Amino acid sequence: EIVLTQSPATLSLSPGERATLSCRASQSVRGYLTWYLHKPGQAPRLLMYDASNRATGVPARFSGSGSGTDFTLTISSLEPEDFAVYYCQQRSSWPLTFGGGTKVEIK
Amino acid sequence: QVQLVQSGTEVKRPGASVEISCKASGYIFTDYFIHWVRQAPGQGLEWLGWINPNSGGTDYARKFLGRVTMTRDTSISTAYMELSRLTSDDPAVYYCARVHLGSDSSSPFDYWGQGTLVTVSS
Repeated sequence: EIVLTQSPATLSLSPGERATLSCRASQSVRGYLTWYLHKPGQAPRLLMYDASNRATGVPARFSGSGSGTDFTLTISSLEPEDFAVYYCQQRSSWPLTFGGGTKVEIK
Repeated sequence: QVQLVQSGTEVKRPGASVEISCKASGYIFTDYFIHWVRQAPGQGLEWLGWINPNSGGTDYARKFLGRVTMTRDTSISTAYMELSRLTSDDPAVYYCARVHLGSDSSSPFDYWGQGTLVTVSS
């Protein structure tokens, strides 16, 4: 199965700062990489699909890039509601797998 | 609006089975695959499998083969996930989730249930 490694595990930033999250796959997932935002006690929320496509209602401050094995989620200017855990997930091959998550916390 | 509403918290003994329901509304139930994902305490997300509500076809993660069963009742737009022979590795919040593109089993998940907490305790 494809292993996804997210880095860093924790990102400590202030509101207004830029966040750059990485997701690396153990083998190519082509462009089939998805990002979710997850807050405690809530269901995960779809942010980005197929590496660079924002889901409906996702603000433009979120952007995604990458292909093959290396992917990046960028939040251009952090808003208070963006502090959460972010997961990447691949759908290139079965089983579907998730990364271990990056926690974006307030510095 | 699209909603997935799951059944409530479950407390089970080791070795028992648990069945969680996921009631869909706001869309045509049989048009979209449903997946199940769990999150153990302090852990990340883990995929369990999917069900095609139209055909009843399923696909399960190898780790759960023989222990998980996904079914549906189209008359009440509800999907079910049963996990048997529960162990101390199974406590988690279990989520159902709907795919974004109905006919694509691997499409990203755009709507999720609220989660069901399963506790395993003797």
